[in-house]
Amino acid sequence: GENVEQHPSTLSVQEGDSAVIKCTYSDSASNYFPWYKQELGKRPQLIIDIRSNVGEKKDQRIAVTLNKTAKHFSLHITETQPEDSAVYFCAARLGYSTLTFGKGTMLLVSP
Amino acid sequence: DVKVTQSSRYLVKRTGEKVFLECVQDMDHENMFWYRQDPGLGLRLIYFSYDVKMKEKGDIPEGYSVSREKKERFSLILESASTNQTSMYLCASSRSDLTGANYGYTFGSGTRLTVV
Repeated sequence: GENVEQHPSTLSVQEGDSAVIKCTYSDSASNYFPWYKQELGKRPQLIIDIRSNVGEKKDQRIAVTLNKTAKHFSLHITETQPEDSAVYFCAARLGYSTLTFGKGTMLLVSP
Repeated sequence: DVKVTQSSRYLVKRTGEKVFLECVQDMDHENMFWYRQDPGLGLRLIYFSYDVKMKEKGDIPEGYSVSREKKERFSLILESASTNQTSMYLCASSRSDLTGANYGYTFGSGTRLTVV
């Protein structure tokens, strides 16, 4: 099966700084990579995703990059705001199958 | 807006009890999933289902079973609850495209189960 490693486990930044969270996956056949944000006490919500035929995708302050050769993908958040504080999960899908999640990154944005 | 509803937000059960966690989705999604979430361990897949009356084991199925009698409802059953099953349980659903690939899970709000 697939194995997803996520780093760092915690990340503290000042408001306005950029934040980068990195994930690696084990199986080169994985083809879909979503990112979820979970605010305290709430459900995980999909914030951005990328398919294996695309190298980068942006949505306002959020971007995801994929390096298939190195088998890693990253979430980039620019101009961070306090409301970006949450736990972020990356995931990878092998074939048509289920998602395998990373262990999560707690992002703290200080005003 | 897709909704995935879990019947209980908090549950406290005794060791050895049979526990039912219910999940209902209202968007006609084919796929439904049960995950448990523990600090430092992320989300781990317990069971999933691609169709009515169909079920597949995930990564940690021991001590659990599931039921999917209707497309919109997916139940997780703890046959004999134990203290190591104290956790947050998250249900999710997703659609499949024409190739059968599934995307974009929608999660429920979770059930925090405490077994004493």
